[in-house]
This record gives sequence, structure tokens and C-alpha cells, in this order.
Amino acid sequence: GDSVTQMEGPVTLSEEAFLTINCTYTATGYPSLFWYVQYPGEGLQLLLKATKADDKGSNKGFEATYRKETTSFHLEKGSVQVSDSAVYFCALRKPGNQGGKLIFGQGTELSVKP
Amino acid sequence: DTEVTQTPKHLVMGMTNKKSLKCEQHMGHRAMYWYKQKAKKPPELMFVYSYEKLSINESVPSRFSPECPNSSLLNLHLHALQPEDSALYLCASSQEPQPSNQPQHFGDGTRLSIL
Repeated sequence: GDSVTQMEGPVTLSEEAFLTINCTYTATGYPSLFWYVQYPGEGLQLLLKATKADDKGSNKGFEATYRKETTSFHLEKGSVQVSDSAVYFCALRKPGNQGGKLIFGQGTELSVKP
Repeated sequence: DTEVTQTPKHLVMGMTNKKSLKCEQHMGHRAMYWYKQKAKKPPELMFVYSYEKLSINESVPSRFSPECPNSSLLNLHLHALQPEDSALYLCASSQEPQPSNQPQHFGDGTRLSIL
């Protein structure tokens, strides 16, 4: 079945460090890919998305490129801030998939220290 | 600011109580979702409503009863819950159930504790 795999956390970085959170997926067809962020005590917020191969999603300094050849959608940011501390979820949706079901990775907790 | 509003933010209830969670969106979305999230885990889909009709029930126990009174509102009625039902309950909406390139927008959730 379809699935999403993320690197395990927690990831701890110093402020202004470079961030990469790996995400790979298994799916037939042509899924759309998403990154969501969940700050402590809050719901999920859409961070960025990409809907076809080679698309790059970007928002708030975060970027991810849809790589069909490696089935990956890695999240990157050049310089993290303390305020980026959160849990990050990679997810996919597929055409015809039951009611547009989102399939999530297990989440990666990021902690940024001053 | 989230465009999906959930109330209450916190709820503590006993195992014999009946309560309801409420979700509201005014984005004109025609698909609405209930998810359950345990700490440090991804959300798990419970129900999907498409054009106010229940389209997906992910084998959720009958002590959870969803309702969609109109296109902007989604309720989750709770009765005789168990301690393991304690979790964050998230509501989400999307423009349509398909196409799949449309994101789902989440509320901040209701944190439910069962005594």
C-alpha cells in the first residue's frame, strides 16, 4: 500500500544551522506531496506542497522538491530559528484515494537551540 | 490564524458522559474530516464527509458518532468513551474530496481527556 517514511527525530540544531528532514514515499500513480508543521499545542498547518514531478514548494524559507526518480520530498531550510521548533509531517494524497485521504509519515520533531 | 475553528479547545469527561465536539469552516469547502491524534504520532483519519454525506468511516467504534448538519459545520458526538480515547481530535476541510492536489486545512483541535 501507499506509505510515507520520514527520518526519525528528534533533530536538535543550533540557531542558523542548515536543516534537512528526509521524506520518501511509496505510491502508485501520481500523488501530491505536502509538508505540514505542528507547533506545540496547535493543529497542523500546511507548510508547502508540490503536485507533480520536479515541482518545488516553498514557504517561510522552507523548500522541498518533488523527485519522482528517487520518490523523495526532502524538506530544507538554510538557517533555522528557535521559532521553527515543531513537529514536521510529510504527507501524500492521491487521485481516487478514498475521499482524498492524507497519508502521513510518522513525523519528525525539530528542536532549535539558541 | 486558522480558518477552521474547533470548540471546545479542551474537554474532560467521564466514561458515562455524553458530549459533542464542534467544527466550523467558512471557506466554502465541501469535504470535511475528523482525525484522532495521539502524542508524538501522526493524525489518524476517522471520518470523511463529502457534500454533507458520510463517505468514509475508518472502522471507528460506534461510541463516536459524526454529524454534518450543513456544509460549514461538522460535529462529533461522544458517548461512553474509554480512557484510551483520550487524544487530540482534529477537524480538517478541503475544497473538494478530489482533486488530490488540494491541501486539507486543519483546526487547532480539541484536547480530550477521559477520566
